[in-house]
Amino acid sequence: AQSVTQPDIHITVSEGASLELRCNYSYGATPYLFWYVQSPGQGLQLLLKYFSGDTLVQGIKGFEAEFKRSQSSFNLRKPSVHWSDAAEYFCAVAGGNAGNMLTFGGGTRLMVKP
Amino acid sequence: GAGVSQSPSNKVTEKGKDVELRCDPISGHTALYWYRQSLGQGLEFLIYFQGNSAPDKSGLPSDRFSAERTGGSVSTLTIQRTQQEDSAVYLCASSQGPGTIYFGEGSWLTVV
Repeated sequence: AQSVTQPDIHITVSEGASLELRCNYSYGATPYLFWYVQSPGQGLQLLLKYFSGDTLVQGIKGFEAEFKRSQSSFNLRKPSVHWSDAAEYFCAVAGGNAGNMLTFGGGTRLMVKP
Repeated sequence: GAGVSQSPSNKVTEKGKDVELRCDPISGHTALYWYRQSLGQGLEFLIYFQGNSAPDKSGLPSDRFSAERTGGSVSTLTIQRTQQEDSAVYLCASSQGPGTIYFGEGSWLTVV
């Protein structure tokens, strides 16, 4: 069965600092990988996704993520965090079958200090 | 429509009452998913539809929960005899084949 682990429940960074959110997955084949962001009281917005090809993927709002098969990781990065990035971030994995069902990690809540 | 639409956006109901939550997926999307997000919890898969059929109902937490989809479009999630532990955000999502899954804004259910 597929699973996702986000080791950090909370992260606080200063505005302008760099950010890396960790994500490790478990899946038997090449997964589809996603990062979603959820602002308070809102639904989930897709930041970026990896299906195949270049292992460094660019997303919206200046985010990027790198798929590392050897480490079963898909960490999310941003070079300079803005106060508006404060939100909860979810990593998710989907297989090519089982209806493309997404399995989510527990989420990482990002707080940004002025 | 332009995105996944869910209604009601907020619902407060008395314990023991039945509730229906509606999801209108993105036009043309054949797959539809329901997830639940409880306070302080992660995202819990409930059920998914491919067309009108539901190959995987394994996530439904109890027999009080049911879902249907008609015309390959709108889906309804029904919770009978609601309990306080049913309070959560119910998120609907849709996709077209293997690919990106788009989420609605959610239906916020509070059982009092």
